[in-house]
Amino acid sequence: GDSVTQMEGPVTLSEEAFLTINCTYTATGYPSLFWYVQYPGEGLQLLLKATKADDKGSNKGFEATYRKETTSFHLEKGSVQVSDSAVYFCALSDLGQNFVFGPGTRLSVLP
Amino acid sequence: DTAVSQTPKYLVTQMGNDKSIKCEQNLGHDTMYWYKQDSKKFLKIMFSYNNKELIINETVPNRFSPKSPDKAHLNLHINSLELGDSAVYFCASSQAAGPGDTQYFGPGTRLTVL
Repeated sequence: GDSVTQMEGPVTLSEEAFLTINCTYTATGYPSLFWYVQYPGEGLQLLLKATKADDKGSNKGFEATYRKETTSFHLEKGSVQVSDSAVYFCALSDLGQNFVFGPGTRLSVLP
Repeated sequence: DTAVSQTPKYLVTQMGNDKSIKCEQNLGHDTMYWYKQDSKKFLKIMFSYNNKELIINETVPNRFSPKSPDKAHLNLHINSLELGDSAVYFCASSQAAGPGDTQYFGPGTRLTVL
């Protein structure tokens, strides 16, 4: 079945550091890919998404590119802030109406 | 205005009890979901409804029964609660059930079974 793998962390960075959270997937077809963010005590919010190969999703300084050849959708941000501290989930959705989440990566940004 | 709302936010109960969690969305979406998030933050889909019809029913004990009285509501009833049911339960909705559709999540219900 479909699956999503991501670095589990926790990841601890200093403010203004560069962030990469790796995400790879396995799927039988051509899924859509998502990054969701969960702030403490809240539900998940969509951060960005890409629906086809080579698409780049971006939002709030975060970016991720759908790489079909490496089945990856790595999340990057050039300069993190304390307010970015949260749990980040990579997810895919395929034609079978199946929505699969990765295990989540906890990010802590220190001032 | 809250797009996806859940009640209650916290639920503490004894083993063996029956409880319900309610979910409502005011986005006009056709599809609604229930997810369970365990203590390690792992998120797993339980059910999905499209226009009040069940379309995804993952391997979940039959003590869990979803009910969708209309498109805007998807409630979760749990019978004979067990310790292992303790988790955060999230409701979500999307415009349709297609692969590119964004899911919008509620704030979660933290269930603690004693």
